Amino acid sequence: GAVVSQHPSWVICKSGTSVKIECRSLDFQATTMFWYRQFPKQSLMLMATSNEGSKATYEQGVEKDKFLINHASLTLSTLTVTSAHPEDSSFYICSAGRQGSNQPQHFGDGTRLSIL
Amino acid sequence: QKEVEQNSGPLSVPEGAIASLNCTYSDRGSQSFFWYRQYSGKSPELIMFIYSNGDKEDGRFTAQLNKASQYVSLLIRDSQPSDSATYLCAVHNTNAGKSTFGDGTTLTVKP
Repeated sequence: GAVVSQHPSWVICKSGTSVKIECRSLDFQATTMFWYRQFPKQSLMLMATSNEGSKATYEQGVEKDKFLINHASLTLSTLTVTSAHPEDSSFYICSAGRQGSNQPQHFGDGTRLSIL
Repeated sequence: QKEVEQNSGPLSVPEGAIASLNCTYSDRGSQSFFWYRQYSGKSPELIMFIYSNGDKEDGRFTAQLNKASQYVSLLIRDSQPSDSATYLCAVHNTNAGKSTFGDGTTLTVKP
């Protein structure tokens, strides 16, 4: 199956720090990338959808100035959590897909973010 | 009403039994249907996909789709403790290029 690499897998940092998470599709061109957040024992929550070369579409309640998404190429999307605070601590997962395709989204391994 | 509904669970079955996971969806334009398994602390991994009405078997897993009833299910035969996880149903609309996920059903297989 398709491979999606997400980095870093674990981040611990101080409150106020900005954290960048990278998501790469290694063996296919991902026209669309999705960013999810998941709190312990809760369901996946879609944060935003990004299409290569255009601005991301954010779900209701997700602050676009807080969670900056860049999808500059067909193989790379980044999520930057700006000025992170303890309430931003969560499991962030990206997935990659192809618009117009009936193929499934493929998930990265996720990034566990802990803000002290 | 949610776009994709799954049994809230948790579901507990003894080892060796059949586990049955159900999912209903509201978007009649959906064309592809996927089941993902998510272990605690890990990201989801794709385990089954089905596009046409009927059954699709892969090892101990069988996916069933009924588009008229807007229903998709996953059967796990000879359940093993290693099958204990949360199972996510995903419904995909090709035109929109997006999968919508259910909240998941947590399965526990007891030895």
